[in-house]
Amino acid sequence: KNEVEQSPQNLTAQEGEFITINCSYSVGISALHWLQQHPGGGIVSLFMLSSGKKKHGRLIATINIQEKHSSLHITASHPRDSAVYICAVRSETSGSRLTFGEGTQLTVNP
Amino acid sequence: EAQVTQNPRYLITVTGKKLTVTCSQNMNHEYMSWYRQDPGLGLRQIYYSMNVEVTDKGDVPEGYKVSRKEKRNFPLILESPSPNQTSLYFCASTRTWGYGYTFGSGTRLTVV
Repeated sequence: KNEVEQSPQNLTAQEGEFITINCSYSVGISALHWLQQHPGGGIVSLFMLSSGKKKHGRLIATINIQEKHSSLHITASHPRDSAVYICAVRSETSGSRLTFGEGTQLTVNP
Repeated sequence: EAQVTQNPRYLITVTGKKLTVTCSQNMNHEYMSWYRQDPGLGLRQIYYSMNVEVTDKGDVPEGYKVSRKEKRNFPLILESPSPNQTSLYFCASTRTWGYGYTFGSGTRLTVV
């Protein structure tokens, strides 16, 4: 079992829909990151969370440390949100190493 | 513009021919790291550096070397590349633990 599991692996939505991507992890963590990988391959850091909730534009990220679970929400989705979304954790015991989920491929159709 | 610059973007090489992928950041970040991305395996950390002359292994360090002689540069060295090192490589940097990462554009390496 991977330390970081994302669901779903693939997600197709219609423009305007509310989207949720989930990330579960099995170790104690000091931080969790959400990344976006564009179709061209470039990676952008969206959020870094250690507790609670963060919001940036139409994106909202939450984390529940006790349940070892994080969610990324996209409100009013748009075709330009189509990308791979990747969850990564820095565990309490692995120093500076990041462990990544396999990513969620999101496609938003007009 | 704040950025992480990786070179080259694409590289095809032959087995055993030493190569270096360069990574440079202009944000005075202390922490830099290298990752490889493979289908079905996702991103995996190769090496990281917490500051000048301080480096440590990630999850898949075999076959790679790094150095951090200056704060801005963190090259990835493949002394004797093999076909199983064919992959998409990313360099990233961050100020410290409470901040997000800035990624380079990636280097697609093919070893034949």
